[in-house]
Amino acid sequence: GAGVSQSPRYKVAKRGQDVALRCDPISGHVSLFWYQQALGQGPEFLTYFQNEAQLDKSGLPSDRFFAERPEGSVSTLKIQRTQQEDSAVYLCASSLGRTSYMDEQFFGPGTRLTVL
Amino acid sequence: AQSVTQLDSHVSVSEGTPVLLRCNYSSSYSPSLFWYVQHPNKGLQLLLKYTSAATLVKGINGFEAEFKKSETSFHLTKPSAHMSDAAEYFCVVSDGAGGTSYGKLTFGQGTILTVHP
Repeated sequence: GAGVSQSPRYKVAKRGQDVALRCDPISGHVSLFWYQQALGQGPEFLTYFQNEAQLDKSGLPSDRFFAERPEGSVSTLKIQRTQQEDSAVYLCASSLGRTSYMDEQFFGPGTRLTVL
Repeated sequence: AQSVTQLDSHVSVSEGTPVLLRCNYSSSYSPSLFWYVQHPNKGLQLLLKYTSAATLVKGINGFEAEFKKSETSFHLTKPSAHMSDAAEYFCVVSDGAGGTSYGKLTFGQGTILTVHP
């Protein structure tokens, strides 16, 4: 399809396990964002990529969170040693431009992570 | 720094009556403002955006919003609610401050709109 896709849609992990969440942005989109949405809250910024460069990771909550986009297209968000507080929906978004804050961001359906 | 406050966590209206979802923002620079809608089990969808052109912005599905700089508000309205409008709505701000010209979004807490028959 032409939209942003994410996989898996649902992930259940035991506390302490590592997880990897995948995002396929819209083809040709330069900018890619990850957001975390806790239950009942608005999404919060995690990190930003411009092509393969990670230009802002100020929103990552701890050093257990790691994101990459090695070829400037698909991105993976990895969480090591998951904790219960990591339970949330993880949203990926992409936009066409690289420097404009006026661009629309297109969101994927999200991955709902539950840590038991 | 940028921030958004959505003044109502829940709004309930009857079908065919007007909708008003309130939003106030704070931004150090001239912001871009957005309203996104999130239907259950679906991704966020852009309703409309303001980017320093006309202060009255028209979006999809009959929604519109007015940017009022003096009041730092960006309220979302619709003249007549439809059952399909029931969803969660997010007011969002983005500005070019602090090197975030790439478009880092700051979301409000969301307003859940319920539409009664």
